Amino acid sequence: AQKITQTQPGMFVQEKEAVTLDCTYDTSDPSYGLFWYKQPSSGEMIFLIYQGSYDQQNATEGRYSLNFQKARKSANLVISASQLGDSAMYFCAMREGPAGGGNKLTFGTGTQLKVEL
Amino acid sequence: DAGITQSPRHKVTETGTPVTLRCHQTENHRYMYWYRQDPGHGLRLIHYSYGVKDTDKGEVSDGYSVSRSKTEDFLLTLESATSSQTSVYFCAVTSGDYNEQFFGPGTRLTVL
Repeated sequence: AQKITQTQPGMFVQEKEAVTLDCTYDTSDPSYGLFWYKQPSSGEMIFLIYQGSYDQQNATEGRYSLNFQKARKSANLVISASQLGDSAMYFCAMREGPAGGGNKLTFGTGTQLKVEL
Repeated sequence: DAGITQSPRHKVTETGTPVTLRCHQTENHRYMYWYRQDPGHGLRLIHYSYGVKDTDKGEVSDGYSVSRSKTEDFLLTLESATSSQTSVYFCAVTSGDYNEQFFGPGTRLTVL
């Protein structure tokens, strides 16, 4: 079974609108972390936001927020007030086990977001 | 950018030739990783390192070997390149408040 599932290969959103990118995960480990990365067309991987499995509140970083629904095993990324520069590929990733320097990440297949005028 | 560089940035080679990709970091990060990125697969872990001369296999390690003789350098070697190894290769280190991974700029490898 896929550990990280991103079911939206591509998404379109109007500028200034909010958009939600879906991510579901599968793990039996009670301690885990969820990450979102952005990859613009230039190719670099940019870390956006993190949610730990024991965090009580949804993570937020500027216009990014994470809608964490633990019982549903979902960690959707919400981008508010979309900008043209948000057009990129977005990856959800998971770390299984407690946080530590050597944790490996498992990535989803990504969602290509295009922001339109 | 966590002080990560990768070399070369682009390489075209022929099937059967050996290839070595280099990841260099300047900030004394202990943990380093090699991933490959392919359409429809996201990023997949090839090998990782917990320190000098301490490495282990990831999800897609067949056909690849690694070495880490110094903290700052993590080398990925394709002993005999195949067309299925055409990909974009990313190096990463663990850093930051959440032990997130920071990535190098990537190496685009084409095996003809």
